[in-house]
Amino acid sequence: KNEVEQSPQNLTAQEGEFITINCSYSVGISALHWLQQHPGGGIVSLFMLSSGKKKHGRLIATINIQEKHSSLHITASHPRDSAVYICAVSEPDKLIFGTGTRLQVFP
Amino acid sequence: DGGITQSPKYLFRKEGQNVTLSCEQNLNHDAMYWYRQDPGQGLRLIYYSQIVNDFQKGDIAEGYSVSREKKESFPLTVTSAQKNPTAFYLCASSRRDTEAFFGQGTRLTVV
Repeated sequence: KNEVEQSPQNLTAQEGEFITINCSYSVGISALHWLQQHPGGGIVSLFMLSSGKKKHGRLIATINIQEKHSSLHITASHPRDSAVYICAVSEPDKLIFGTGTRLQVFP
Repeated sequence: DGGITQSPKYLFRKEGQNVTLSCEQNLNHDAMYWYRQDPGQGLRLIYYSQIVNDFQKGDIAEGYSVSREKKESFPLTVTSAQKNPTAFYLCASSRRDTEAFFGQGTRLTVV
């Protein structure tokens, strides 16, 4: 079993839909990261969470430390949101990545 | 501006040759990491370093080597012992309990 699991692996949506991507982890962590990877390969950090909830524009990230679970929500999705979304957790000395969720938003 | 720089973006190597990928950061981060990504797969940890002159093997270290002579630099050498080196390589850095920063990646192709 992977230490960080994401679901779904692939997700398609129509423009305007509300999107949720889930991340569960089995290790003790100091923080959880949500990342976005575009087709060119570069990765952008969206959020770093250690508790509660954060919002940036149409993106919302939540974390439940007791349940070892985090969600990334995208409101009013748009084709430019199409990317791979990756959850990563910070153990004391390294980052562990999930395998990513490939999102495609169609007009 | 602070950031993390990987070079080159694209690299071609002949079979049997060693090649070194560069990763430099000016964020004063202690921790640096190298990951490998294969098509349709997640990022796998090759090596990481928490302090200068010290580094640890990740999950797939065989066929790779690193050095950490300076805090700012963490080069990765893909040796001829790596059986399947064609992949996308990503460098990252972080400070404890802060956001991680990522390079733009190096796409290595063995020809």
